[in-house]
Amino acid sequence: AQSVTQPDIHITVSEGASLELRCNYSYGATPYLFWYVQSPGQGLQLLLKYFSGDTLVQGIKGFEAEFKRSQSSFNLRKPSVHWSDAAEYFCAVGAGSSASKIIFGSGTRLSIRP
Amino acid sequence: GAVVSQHPSWVICKSGTSVKIECRSLDFQATTMFWYRQFPKQSLMLMATSNEGSKATYEQGVEKDKFLINHASLTLSTLTVTSAHPEDSSFYICSARAPMGRGADEQFFGPGTRLTVL
Repeated sequence: AQSVTQPDIHITVSEGASLELRCNYSYGATPYLFWYVQSPGQGLQLLLKYFSGDTLVQGIKGFEAEFKRSQSSFNLRKPSVHWSDAAEYFCAVGAGSSASKIIFGSGTRLSIRP
Repeated sequence: GAVVSQHPSWVICKSGTSVKIECRSLDFQATTMFWYRQFPKQSLMLMATSNEGSKATYEQGVEKDKFLINHASLTLSTLTVTSAHPEDSSFYICSARAPMGRGADEQFFGPGTRLTVL
């Protein structure tokens, strides 16, 4: 069965520091992978997605993620975080035909230290 | 991007009553919508897949008689929590799948509805 693991429940980084959020997936075929951000009072926003092709994916807000099949990972990175990046981040995998179902990881809460 | 709205954004009801939550795709037609439930500080759990004009497909463990889903038009899906109890209190989120040619395979999420059952 498909699953997504985010091993870090909560991460705190200093403003301006680099960020890496970990994500591991379990899926038999080539996965459709997503990163979403959820801010308080707002809906989930798609940061980036990977379906095929270049394994380094660029997203919005300066985020990027790298698909590593050998490690079953899709880690999210940002070179320099801003206070506004504080939020909950979810890694997800699309399952079924055309990724019609999305299975979410447990989420990582990001706090920014001034 | 495409916009999905939910109404109400929050609702408080008494135990035993029914509550209806609406999910609308505002600027695109969505043949498929999804309903998720999110407990505090937890992930989103898919409850059901709603296809316009047909019965919803529920995930294992989700009571279809408890959570009634109707997808009467290409822009509206409703979730009715029947005979609500305190354990139904949660954050309910819908999403709508964009049609082919417009961010295909991408779901757009509503802002969620906070349900509190007293």
